[in-house]
Amino acid sequence: EAGVAQSPRYKIIEKRQSVAFWCNPISGHATLYWYQQILGQGPKLLIQFQNNGVVDDSQLPKDRFSAERLKGVDSTLKIQPAKLEDSAVYLCASSLESRVKTQYFGPGTRLLVL
Amino acid sequence: DQQVKQNSPSLSVQEGRISILNCDYTNSMFDYFLWYKKYPAEGPTFLISISSIKDKNEDGRFTVFLNKSAKHLSLHIVPSQPGDSAVYFCAASYGDTGTASKLTFGTGTRLQVTL
Repeated sequence: EAGVAQSPRYKIIEKRQSVAFWCNPISGHATLYWYQQILGQGPKLLIQFQNNGVVDDSQLPKDRFSAERLKGVDSTLKIQPAKLEDSAVYLCASSLESRVKTQYFGPGTRLLVL
Repeated sequence: DQQVKQNSPSLSVQEGRISILNCDYTNSMFDYFLWYKKYPAEGPTFLISISSIKDKNEDGRFTVFLNKSAKHLSLHIVPSQPGDSAVYFCAASYGDTGTASKLTFGTGTRLQVTL
């Protein structure tokens, strides 16, 4: 069974530029999560989707971050414009459905904002 | 407000010995706890979990103990192997509705297993 796929793996941008990350969850997993992991910290949930609907986006900085999961499978996370403090690893995870607590993570995208 | 705390940023253990990683939480609503293991440049990998109705869960070399009154859990690895060297994250969640799977993570403990 294929795991969670993410791309790109690394991205370097200048501040005020925009960037987008892509995630393909495990086949059949209805719930998809985006996390931000800043160096030295644990992952922090940004947004949770159940199919193509948002379950929780309370910690998503909506002035600059947006995410979508239009067909209930793949998802994209966008930052526009990026700030220096957005430098982090962005992790995508999926689970069978929103009450199943075990999540499976992708390899992450490491973003550096200069 | 750090609801899940891993107060030891690093731990070094000799191969073959027991590794004990600790985690404390402050939110008494948490009813499910998980441990994840993370190698460099990879995403976290699920290791073991425990529900608040239990005080121990074992899976091979890995055992998780939960002390609800102390709001404390620990992960025991016996015997420790060099391949166990990684960062270990404790995570917690609560409820059984749509946001039940929302995980709150600790800051991680880097385990180094030496030969």
